Amino acid sequence: AQTVTQSQPEMSVQEAETVTLSCTYDTSENNYYLFWYKQPPSRQMILVIRQEAYKQQNATENRFSVNFQKAAKSFSLKISDSQLGDTAMYFCAFMSGNNNDMRFGAGTRLTVKP
Amino acid sequence: GAVVSQHPSWVICKSGTSVKIECRSLDFQATTMFWYRQFPKQSLMLMATSNEGSKATYEQGVEKDKFLINHASLTLSTLTVTSAHPEDSSFYICSARGGGGRETQYFGPGTRLLVL
Repeated sequence: AQTVTQSQPEMSVQEAETVTLSCTYDTSENNYYLFWYKQPPSRQMILVIRQEAYKQQNATENRFSVNFQKAAKSFSLKISDSQLGDTAMYFCAFMSGNNNDMRFGAGTRLTVKP
Repeated sequence: GAVVSQHPSWVICKSGTSVKIECRSLDFQATTMFWYRQFPKQSLMLMATSNEGSKATYEQGVEKDKFLINHASLTLSTLTVTSAHPEDSSFYICSARGGGGRETQYFGPGTRLLVL
């Protein structure tokens, strides 16, 4: 079974600075997808960024980018120029390419301070 | 695009009653929908996966007779919590796969259930 580990329960960052959230996963599969979801206080899950395992290039979405290290099974999220609206829970998720089940990490609570 | 709605957004019910939660994909057809449960300050726990027109697949430890799932159309799945008890109080979230990519799940806003 796949597991997703987020080792940072809480993090904080000053507005406009950069922060990196860690995520590691365990799988024996070669075809899979990785995601970062944001859950603000409203509790609506919002897709931040996604990465296909077969792509070597790291995904980027505006201020959000990932460092995908397939051999190390690591998938960290970097948020640049942090904004107050980035304050939320961030969940790393793994989805198998075989059965499409999505598994979430425990989450990291990020607080952006003014 | 890729909008998923849930109804109701919150519900309070008496112990022993049944509660139905609807999940709809508004602008795409979702062949697969997922139901999650989230306790306070915890992660999402997958309860079941439902495919349109077939029986749902439940995760280990989730009672299928307790949590009835119906996925009768490509845009609607329902979760019915039967004979609800206080320990069923939780935040229930659905997601649907489709829209921008088959491998991306789009989430509904969630339903907060409180059983008295």
